[in-house]
Amino acid sequence: AQKITQTQPGMFVQEKEAVTLDCTYDTSDQSYGLFWYKQPSSGEMIFLIYQGSYDEQNATEGRYSLNFQKARKSANLVISASQLGDSAMYFCAMRGGGAQKLVFGQGTRLTINP
Amino acid sequence: NAGVTQTPKFQVLKTGQSMTLQCAQDMNHEYMSWYRQDPGMGLRLIHYSVGAGITDQGEVPNGYNVSRSTTEDFPLRLLSAAPSQTSVYFCASARGNTGELFFGEGSRLTVL
Repeated sequence: AQKITQTQPGMFVQEKEAVTLDCTYDTSDQSYGLFWYKQPSSGEMIFLIYQGSYDEQNATEGRYSLNFQKARKSANLVISASQLGDSAMYFCAMRGGGAQKLVFGQGTRLTINP
Repeated sequence: NAGVTQTPKFQVLKTGQSMTLQCAQDMNHEYMSWYRQDPGMGLRLIHYSVGAGITDQGEVPNGYNVSRSTTEDFPLRLLSAAPSQTSVYFCASARGNTGELFFGEGSRLTVL
């Protein structure tokens, strides 16, 4: 069975600092994908970044990068130069087994302080 | 560009009542799914569909029915609502087995 673990229920960061949100995963699949979604207080789920298990380079999307360490089974999200608008809930998710059935972690609530 | 549209956005039911959460997507995506989000538990998969006429159960299917008669629509039915089904429900769609999962805005359901 696949499992995602996010060990940080909440994080507080000063504006403009970089922040790392932790995500570890467990799967027996060789082919899988890892996602990060942002959920602001308004409730919608916003896709941030994707990493495939066979991708050799770490994924980057603007200020977001995914620190993918396959041997450690970790897929941490790094946000550079944090902004007040980054305050939200962040979910790590995994897709495996050749289907689009995502398994989500419990989320990390990030608060950016001015 | 509508994307994934869910209705209603809010609903209050009494125990034992039935209702249908509607989900429609205009991106011609083969894959559609329903998740529920409860506090402290992330999102959990209820049912999913890989194409019209094909549905399957996810992690928490009990108490819910689905059907997929068209590519665009994937309604979620609660036949006899229970307080344990109080949650926020998200519909999502994707093209094929890879790529981004697009979410609707969510439907908040309260069962009294």
